[in-house]
Amino acid sequence: DTGVSQNPRHKITKRGQNVTFRCDPISEHNRLYWYRQTLGQGPEFLTYFQNEAQLEKSRLLSDRFSAERPKGSFSTLEIQRTEQGDSAMYLCASSLLTGASNTEAFFGQGTRLTVV
Amino acid sequence: DAKTTQPTSMDCAEGRAANLPCNHSTISGNEYVYWYRQIHSQGPQYIIHGLKNNETNEMASLIITEDRKSSTLILPHATLRDTAVYYCIVQNPHYGGATNKLIFGTGTLLAVQP
Repeated sequence: DTGVSQNPRHKITKRGQNVTFRCDPISEHNRLYWYRQTLGQGPEFLTYFQNEAQLEKSRLLSDRFSAERPKGSFSTLEIQRTEQGDSAMYLCASSLLTGASNTEAFFGQGTRLTVV
Repeated sequence: DAKTTQPTSMDCAEGRAANLPCNHSTISGNEYVYWYRQIHSQGPQYIIHGLKNNETNEMASLIITEDRKSSTLILPHATLRDTAVYYCIVQNPHYGGATNKLIFGTGTLLAVQP
């Protein structure tokens, strides 16, 4: 399977614990995006990387959230001191920027986080 | 905020064409119309996109009005597996300096009935 892969698919954690999610994009894609989706809403942009550089962060990304893409390949999203309001589906997407044109985005299956 | 408006939900009989409308009256000249869908508990899936000409691929057809203020996604022969939330999004893919993030609204829940 050469699509976008996210792990784990589901995570249940206690409030106050730290969690980390991983995203493996399509191999040649240089752009990687993180989105969050709550029930009944469309996905909301959190942050994105071009290669290893994190170029934009949403106001939704509080200081408890940190994302990395150390070698420009896979990415991790960490949430520290989780709160119940962090319960959501976390989606990763990748695309290819060539020249000045960006391809459509390809999404992973998401990681569903439940904070109890 | 999303720059598009879509009906909240629609029904369609299996085997019939599903026509999903989208209004994007403030679309700018270099923005394309994109459609994605999201089947329950899965990530969004790209369907099709277009600038001003009608487009067709193996999944769907996209009809954009001449003034580009609205469009319709057509699934020619809907099946039960087409039941999903369909999102219409406008974006300029050719400005490499931009984030090109997708701004999703709440989409249209298409329910295909047997």
